[in-house]
Amino acid sequence: GQSLEQPSEVTAVEGAIVQINCTYQTSGFYGLSWYQQHDGGAPTFLSYNALDGLEETGRFSSFLSRSDSYGYLLLQELQMKDSASYFCAEEAGSYQLTFGKGTKLSVIP
Amino acid sequence: NAGVTQTPKFQVLKTGQSMTLQCAQDMNHNSMYWYRQDPGMGLRLIYYSASEGTTDKGEVPNGYNVSRLNKREFSLRLESAAPSQTSVYFCASSKREGYNEQFFGPGTRLTVL
Repeated sequence: GQSLEQPSEVTAVEGAIVQINCTYQTSGFYGLSWYQQHDGGAPTFLSYNALDGLEETGRFSSFLSRSDSYGYLLLQELQMKDSASYFCAEEAGSYQLTFGKGTKLSVIP
Repeated sequence: NAGVTQTPKFQVLKTGQSMTLQCAQDMNHNSMYWYRQDPGMGLRLIYYSASEGTTDKGEVPNGYNVSRLNKREFSLRLESAAPSQTSVYFCASSKREGYNEQFFGPGTRLTVL
């Protein structure tokens, strides 16, 4: 089966760095995606890792270790507008994504 | 480009009523999806259509039907609504070969009384 584990809530200070972890357990794993969702809004795509290592997109970076079945999203220079829920999503074939339950990030002054 | 559009934005139904949620995309994407999102449950896939003319069940298909009307449109039907179907419904689309990057519509907030 497929399951993803991520923390339910994280709080961080404006200007700081925060890491949101995601572990997965599945066979036939292809890659890990990250999505952001503000309260009342739609999910938006942030990044995708198919290979081990770090992918950087501006203030956001995503990391994958296939040997550890683990990935994380790193947010730098946190801003108040980064307060949102962040979902990891597993690509495991059959044109389907399986989403984690989400991590609610609160950025405080 | 409007991206992915959904109608209606809000809907209240009584138990046993039926309704169809509409979704359209103007990005020429091959694949389309319907998800539901409940508090603390993340997004769960109801049905998807990898390409025009095909539909497949996702994780939670019971109580729903879908129609891929053409490449642009993918509708979700509740034949006999139940309170357990109270949720926020999101439609999404993607390129067939890049389905890890999905584009979501604004959602439909459905309440079944």
